[in-house]
Amino acid sequence: TQLLEQSPQFLSIQEGENLTVYCNSSSVFSSLQWYRQEPGEGPVLLVTVVTGGEVKKLKRLTFQFGDARKDSSLHITAAQPGDTGLYLCAGGRGSSYKLIFGSGTRLLVRP
Amino acid sequence: DAGITQSPRHKVTETGTPVTLRCHQTENHRYMYWYRQDPGHGLRLIHYSYGVKDTDKGEVSDGYSVSRSKTEDFLLTLESATSSQTSVYFCAIRNGAGVNEQFFGPGTRLTVL
Repeated sequence: TQLLEQSPQFLSIQEGENLTVYCNSSSVFSSLQWYRQEPGEGPVLLVTVVTGGEVKKLKRLTFQFGDARKDSSLHITAAQPGDTGLYLCAGGRGSSYKLIFGSGTRLLVRP
Repeated sequence: DAGITQSPRHKVTETGTPVTLRCHQTENHRYMYWYRQDPGHGLRLIHYSYGVKDTDKGEVSDGYSVSRSKTEDFLLTLESATSSQTSVYFCAIRNGAGVNEQFFGPGTRLTVL
C-alpha cells in the first residue's frame, strides 16, 4: 500500500510566523499535488509538481518536490489568518487513474 | 473554478433507506471520482469512472454503487444506508490529459441515523 504521511497533523501559529508542512513517502510519484480545504468546502488545487527538485512559488507559498520524487514540502512565509485550513498532499503514479492522499495538516493562523 | 455541482448538499436519512447522490460537471471531463472524507482517514476513493458506462471500484467500495449514463453526471448510490456511511462525500473530475490533477465539488454531508 502506498502511503503519504503528512506532518505535522496540526499546527497553530501566530500571524506573521513562517511554517513548513511535510509530505513523505517511501514510494516514487510521477506528480504531487497540494490542495487547501476550508470548512464546508471541497479541496482546492494549489499546485502540481512533476520534476524532482522542482520548486514552485505561489505568492507567499513555496512548494518543493524532493529530488527522488518521494517527498514534498510546503513553506508559508508570514502566515495570515486567511491561510487557515486543511492542507492535503496527493501523489499520482504514471498512468494510474487514482491519487494517493495524505491525511492532511490542519493549520490555524491566529490574528 | 471547475464547473462541478453536487446535490443534495446536505441529507439526513434513516438506516436501511436508499440514498443517491449526484455529481454534475459542465467541463466535459472524462474522469469522475467519488470520495468520502472522515476524521482520521482523510480522503478515500469509493468508485471512479473513466468514461460513460465505464466504472471501477476504489478502496472503500463496499455498500456503494455508481452509474454514469452521460459524460456530465456521475451518481453514487447507497442501496441500504448504514450509520457507518455517515460522512462527507466529494466528487472530483479530471480531464485525462497528462498529469492527474483532480478538481473537487463542494461536497455532500450525509447523516445516517
